[in-house]
Amino acid sequence: EAGVVQSPRYKIIEKKQPVAFWCNPISGHNTLYWYLQNLGQGPELLIRYENEEAVDDSQLPKDRFSAERLKGVDSTLKIQPAELGDSAVYLCAISLGLKGIRETQYFGPGTRLLVL
Amino acid sequence: QKEVEQNSGPLSVPEGAIASLNCTYSDRGSQSFFWYRQYSGKSPELIMSIYSNGDKEDGRFTAQLNKASQYVSLLIRDSQPSDSATYLCAVNLIIQGAQKLVFGQGTRLTINP
Repeated sequence: EAGVVQSPRYKIIEKKQPVAFWCNPISGHNTLYWYLQNLGQGPELLIRYENEEAVDDSQLPKDRFSAERLKGVDSTLKIQPAELGDSAVYLCAISLGLKGIRETQYFGPGTRLLVL
Repeated sequence: QKEVEQNSGPLSVPEGAIASLNCTYSDRGSQSFFWYRQYSGKSPELIMSIYSNGDKEDGRFTAQLNKASQYVSLLIRDSQPSDSATYLCAVNLIIQGAQKLVFGQGTRLTINP
């Protein structure tokens, strides 16, 4: 999966608990994305990073979600507190090749979250 | 109207036949289009990209783009059971000044032996 490692691969928590996901691009990539994918739906963008800077976080629910990308490499996405509706797959993606309209995104394996 | 629309299926095609997957999009200014394949329990995998009107062929896959009709399709020739998956159409849109890759809900394809 395009040299993107995500951990954990699965997580089960009770509602109101915190949870964190990690994304580790194997080699350096400037642009990193976090997506959420609900069952039967396509991925939806949560946040986009250019190096350490979050350049688009307009769809991140900031009351409970936070993200960071220290040193412009690895990234973490956190939910606190988790709600039942947060059960989904959280995907990290990186872009390769040309910038701009021909920028192509490649996904990591994802973290499957179940909130009970 | 959704920004990117696909028929959710399921679409059932006999082995060896041509599978045709369709996608429409709302932004006439869109310039880049992608098809991803997603097996159950796996993450999306890029299989095709297309930027110009017309056809683009890669092996058994052909992507077709018609910007005037705001329509992009994926044809799979000589369908195999291993092609059974959900196919996601994705379009690069400019939303509130920012470039975003917007996905359709996906079409579930089943190839019957």
